[in-house]
Amino acid sequence: NAGVTQTPKFQVLKTGQSMTLQCAQDMNHNSMYWYRQDPGMGLRLIYYSASEGTTDKGEVPNGYNVSRLNKREFSLRLESAAPSQTSVYFCASSETGDGYTFGSGTRLTVV
Amino acid sequence: KQEVTQIPAALSVPEGENLVLNCSFTDSAIYNLQWFRQDPGKGLTSLLLIQSSQREQTSGRLNASLDKSSGRSTLYIAASQPGDSATYLCAVRKTGGFKTIFGAGTRLFVKA
Repeated sequence: NAGVTQTPKFQVLKTGQSMTLQCAQDMNHNSMYWYRQDPGMGLRLIYYSASEGTTDKGEVPNGYNVSRLNKREFSLRLESAAPSQTSVYFCASSETGDGYTFGSGTRLTVV
Repeated sequence: KQEVTQIPAALSVPEGENLVLNCSFTDSAIYNLQWFRQDPGKGLTSLLLIQSSQREQTSGRLNASLDKSSGRSTLYIAASQPGDSATYLCAVRKTGGFKTIFGAGTRLFVKA
């Protein structure tokens, strides 16, 4: 019962470096999401994909890009990391009418 | 714009006490409301999901209610245990969209 799997779990980047966060779900959900969680600010939506082949901006999309590779996978890319992107990143998936299932998160530090 | 507020931000209770966590939202046009639990350094675990047409949901010692007209939801935890210590978040999904807005959470500490 894997659910939503995120990799890596931890990452340290230098300012200006790039990286891709991977997310895969095995529940055949249509919708997938990327959130960031910062102390005192709750979770904020970065990007989402309502269905395979579509992506849309959330509340805080600047500095990020996403790819919905297929129905299972939704990746988040930081092209040029900045210290302000230090955060914990969560991937989630859902099906219409159902609630969310979250991955265990990626803790990213940009120095 | 939908805003979700959770009060209190932190709560400490003795073991065995019944308690209520509050969640309020500004736009009553919601699709559903979900309560999550988050342990330190971990992801979010879904506790209860209430559809907009429902008034409450129950799971074990947990009961969540929804009052759309007043923009409020409560999570009732009966006979609290130290293992209930965690942060509890509510999340509101808007009607007609895919965006869900999260509250900042209530950090609960249950003392043995």
